[in-house]
Amino acid sequence: AAGVIQSPRHLIKEKRETATLKCYPIPRHDTVYWYQQGPGQDPQFLISFYEKMQSDKGSIPDRFSAQQFSDYHSELNMSSLELGDSALYFCASSSGLAGAGREYFGPGTRLTVL
Amino acid sequence: AQSVTQLDSQVPVFEEAPVELRCNYSSSVSVYLFWYVQYPNQGLQLLLKYLSGSTLVKGINGFEAEFNKSQTSFHLRKPSVHISDTAEYFCAVRRMDSSYKLIFGSGTRLLVRP
Repeated sequence: AAGVIQSPRHLIKEKRETATLKCYPIPRHDTVYWYQQGPGQDPQFLISFYEKMQSDKGSIPDRFSAQQFSDYHSELNMSSLELGDSALYFCASSSGLAGAGREYFGPGTRLTVL
Repeated sequence: AQSVTQLDSQVPVFEEAPVELRCNYSSSVSVYLFWYVQYPNQGLQLLLKYLSGSTLVKGINGFEAEFNKSQTSFHLRKPSVHISDTAEYFCAVRRMDSSYKLIFGSGTRLLVRP
């Protein structure tokens, strides 16, 4: 079965550079969630989109922005990268807002900021 | 606000022994409860979830968890672990109302020794 696809899987950037992470949800899933997991930390919710509209917002820095496109894929744009942005970024997708249901997580993009 | 506490950061256990990973939560509203497993360099995989009904929930890979409302706990158990169960386990909650984000605990590393 198709799973959530994230690209790239690994990304190395310098401080103050920009990065774009992409998430392709499971076919027919219309909701996307972004989480950030720092080294040795638990995943922290960043932002979510349902039907191309922002549905919830967590602790996402102002330097980050995200959107969901007409084909339901989502992109997380990160500017003025800092060392502390080094983390594993997970995307998850669900059919409708997860609620009592479940979301499916992608393998993550590991971002390293040097 | 919601919070999840996993008291044990690491649980070492011998193969074929039983194990319990503890999870306590705090919330002013009703929540759904989840356990996720994360193998090294992989994404999050849902083990099981509690939505309502029977307080004993069975999941994949022989895991089960029991919801205790009075103690606000959702401990994960397995009667006999395998080497392949070595991974990071995260307890998570999600509000039953309009918020759709998962709030994770800090994780418990299960280390199964031969």
